[in-house]
Amino acid sequence: DIVMTQSPDSLAVSLGERATINCKSSQSVLYRSNNKNYLAWYQQKPGQPPKLLIHWASARESGVPDRFSGSGSGTDFTLTISSLQAEDVAVYYCLQYYNNPWTFGQGTKVEIK
Amino acid sequence: EVQLVESGGGLVQPGGSLRLSCAASGFTFSSYWMHWVRQVPGKGLVWVSSISGDGSRTRYVDSVKGRFTISRDTAKNTLYLQVDSLRVEDTALYYCARSLYDSGTYYPCDSWGQGTLVTVSS
Repeated sequence: DIVMTQSPDSLAVSLGERATINCKSSQSVLYRSNNKNYLAWYQQKPGQPPKLLIHWASARESGVPDRFSGSGSGTDFTLTISSLQAEDVAVYYCLQYYNNPWTFGQGTKVEIK
Repeated sequence: EVQLVESGGGLVQPGGSLRLSCAASGFTFSSYWMHWVRQVPGKGLVWVSSISGDGSRTRYVDSVKGRFTISRDTAKNTLYLQVDSLRVEDTALYYCARSLYDSGTYYPCDSWGQGTLVTVSS
């Protein structure tokens, strides 16, 4: 199974500042035949199901604010919130959908400093 | 509007069984893979099982193989998860979710239900 490891486990960022979350996979999730990284990012607020933010490592879902961006390839990925807003307080998860079983990172809790 | 509504959770003793359901609406059910993902309250997400749009292919995480069975009824637009031989560690909120599979390419889950809680305890 591919192990997904996020860092940090939690972070506190001031409003308007940048938040950066890292995700590392135990093996590459880059599918060479289509040059796509099978890596997604989710946001989960308390009492709610996860919400898909980004797929293919960097493709933002429709309706997701452009302050959210994803980058990386192969085994190392980053989710960046360029200017943290109060409504971004949540737990963020990365997911690899390259191999079965699909596996999530352990989550990163983002709070306001 | 896409809607996924889970039901069937509850309190069950170790060794017991439940049948979870997920009623889907607002999209062409047979065009999507469907998944079950679980989450222990306060903990992380764990993918449990998935089934192809036509029901011919199924996948399971190792910890539930032989105990859980995923199925779907296209006529009823409903996804199921039969959970047998339940263990205390199966206690979790069970979400159903959909994902697209298009031209040989898998996509991640893009719509989720609110979940149904399964509690395994004596």
